[in-house]
Amino acid sequence: KAGVTQTPRYLIKTRGQQVTLSCSPISGHRSVSWYQQTPGQGLQFLFEYFSETQRNKGNFPGRFSGRQFSNSRSEMNVSTLELGDSALYLCASSANRGGYGYTFGSGTRLTVV
Amino acid sequence: SQQGEEDPQALSIQEGENATMNCSYKTSINNLQWYRQNSGRGLVHLILIRSNEREKHSGRLRVTLDTSKKSSSLLITASRAADTASYFCATELQTGANNLFFGTGTRLTVIP
Repeated sequence: KAGVTQTPRYLIKTRGQQVTLSCSPISGHRSVSWYQQTPGQGLQFLFEYFSETQRNKGNFPGRFSGRQFSNSRSEMNVSTLELGDSALYLCASSANRGGYGYTFGSGTRLTVV
Repeated sequence: SQQGEEDPQALSIQEGENATMNCSYKTSINNLQWYRQNSGRGLVHLILIRSNEREKHSGRLRVTLDTSKKSSSLLITASRAADTASYFCATELQTGANNLFFGTGTRLTVIP
């Protein structure tokens, strides 16, 4: 059974650019959530999608957005990149709506220069 | 701000010893989960304990939950060098939220 796949693994972008990250959940999992991990702020929840609908959103600016497709794959977009957006972005998939553990991908390491 | 705080921030032990990590959180929860992270890679789910449970075991792992004190502990028995990693507690506030609040993490080093 394939795990959660995140692409790309590493990314270097320039301030002001935009970036799109991709997450393919475990087959059959309908929930995908995104987290940002930085040394200063730790792991913070960005948003969660379930059956193509955003159900929950963390406290991040509107530059951070996402979507989920009918096959449950999800993308996260960050526009007008800032240096502080440099982070490890993790996605997690779950078969159910809460109450169970989550399976995380290996993450995308984004560096903004 | 993060929901949880972990203690200690770093822990170094000899192989074969037990490791205990503590987690405190701020609000009522539905469940608490522990994850392991190796060298900035993805998180691996270790164990989940629900708010109506007090103790749970999985292999060499033992987790306790005290909702009155809003705290949890993770015990790893007979540690191995391969247990070297960062460990995070995460709380889920309500069923259906699919939104975890993570603690600050404990960096565990097991010396062979």
